[in-house]
Amino acid sequence: GNSVTQMEGPVTLSEEAFLTINCTYTATGYPSLFWYVQYPGEGLQLLLKATKADDKGSNKGFEATYRKETTSFHLEKGSVQVSDSAVYFCALSGGSVQGAQKLVFGQGTRLTINP
Amino acid sequence: EADIYQTPRYLVIGTGKKITLECSQTMGHDKMYWYQQDPGMELHLIHYSYGVNSTEKGDLSSESTVSRIRTEHFPLTLESARPSHTSQYLCASRVTGDTEAFFGQGTRLTVV
Repeated sequence: GNSVTQMEGPVTLSEEAFLTINCTYTATGYPSLFWYVQYPGEGLQLLLKATKADDKGSNKGFEATYRKETTSFHLEKGSVQVSDSAVYFCALSGGSVQGAQKLVFGQGTRLTINP
Repeated sequence: EADIYQTPRYLVIGTGKKITLECSQTMGHDKMYWYQQDPGMELHLIHYSYGVNSTEKGDLSSESTVSRIRTEHFPLTLESARPSHTSQYLCASRVTGDTEAFFGQGTRLTVV
């Protein structure tokens, strides 16, 4: 079945540092890929998405490129802020008829940015 | 902004009590989901629905039950709460297809 593997955390960076959170996936066909963010005490919010190979999703300075050849969707940001401290989830949907019914999530990466 | 609501936000309840966690969305989405989130953050799918009168069990076995009598409403019920049910429960919805899901703010349940 479909699965997502995320870089293990927690990740701690200083403000203005470069961020990468790795995400790789296993799926048949061509799934859609997502990054979600969860702030303390809240539900998940969509951060960005990509629906086909070589698409780049971007939002709030974050970017991720759908790489089919490496089955990856790594999250990057050039200069992080304290307000980026949160838990980040990589997710996929689809790739097959059965896989289209569910969103599959990675285990989450907790990010802390120090001033 | 997502129009999906969960109530209550926080609930502390005694062992053996029956509880229902409410989830409603006003977006007309066909698919709805319940996730259980453990303290280590990982999300576990416990129930989902393709539409009215459709419910399926998720990947993690759960003693809870769900119903989908109306498109907008997807309540989760625990007949007899136990301390092992203490967790955060997240509800989500999306339209048909490989689209993004919208999440409610969650219900943090504590069973004492």
